[in-house]
Amino acid sequence: EPEVTQTPSHQVTQMGQEVILRCVPISNHLYFYWYRQILGQKVEFLVSFYNNEISEKSEIFDDQFSVERPDGSNFTLKIRSTKLEDSAMYFCASSAGLAGSSLLYEQYFGPGTRLTVT
Amino acid sequence: GQQVMQIPQYQHVQEGEDFTTYCNSSTTLSNIQWYKQRPGGHPVFLIQLVKSGEVKKQKRLTFQFGEAKKNSSLHITATQTTDVGTYFCAGPNGEYGNKLVFGAGTILRVKS
Repeated sequence: EPEVTQTPSHQVTQMGQEVILRCVPISNHLYFYWYRQILGQKVEFLVSFYNNEISEKSEIFDDQFSVERPDGSNFTLKIRSTKLEDSAMYFCASSAGLAGSSLLYEQYFGPGTRLTVT
Repeated sequence: GQQVMQIPQYQHVQEGEDFTTYCNSSTTLSNIQWYKQRPGGHPVFLIQLVKSGEVKKQKRLTFQFGEAKKNSSLHITATQTTDVGTYFCAGPNGEYGNKLVFGAGTILRVKS
């Protein structure tokens, strides 16, 4: 079964450093997402991406964050200057379409990257 | 902004007992999705409900969508140890699922 992959599985970085989290969405999917989950808390939406541009972003996704699809397969999340509070599990997800009132498009989540900022 | 509330936060049951988690949205939803996250794992899609009053079953799991399309529930009959995990409901912010708003989740622990 196709799956979303993410690298690295764990990233440790110092406060103020830049990190890039990488994802390979499912190959025929068109919509890509980043979520984060602080330990023991709920999954929070960061950003969605379609047709090479951001389609929606949350308040969390400020100027320190950026996303890119540098080639036909990778989808990256960059945090320019990490803060302690950025420590979390970051999940990438993809879907074939958008789920609506008559459309069923599930989001497939990757295994996540645990980011630890020290 | 849209909020999705879920209760209870935590439930510890004896194997074989039933389990229910409830989800409530501050706004009417076009659809609601349920995900399961095993300890240390990632969210895995379980089901999507789209119609008012819809009920769907997956083996021992029964999902309901309220008539007003603002609430939903997941009921597990005769829990097993494999049911352990966190169950999240999620609703789209807007007509389409471009931005999913997740509930806080219900952690289920099953004692054998």
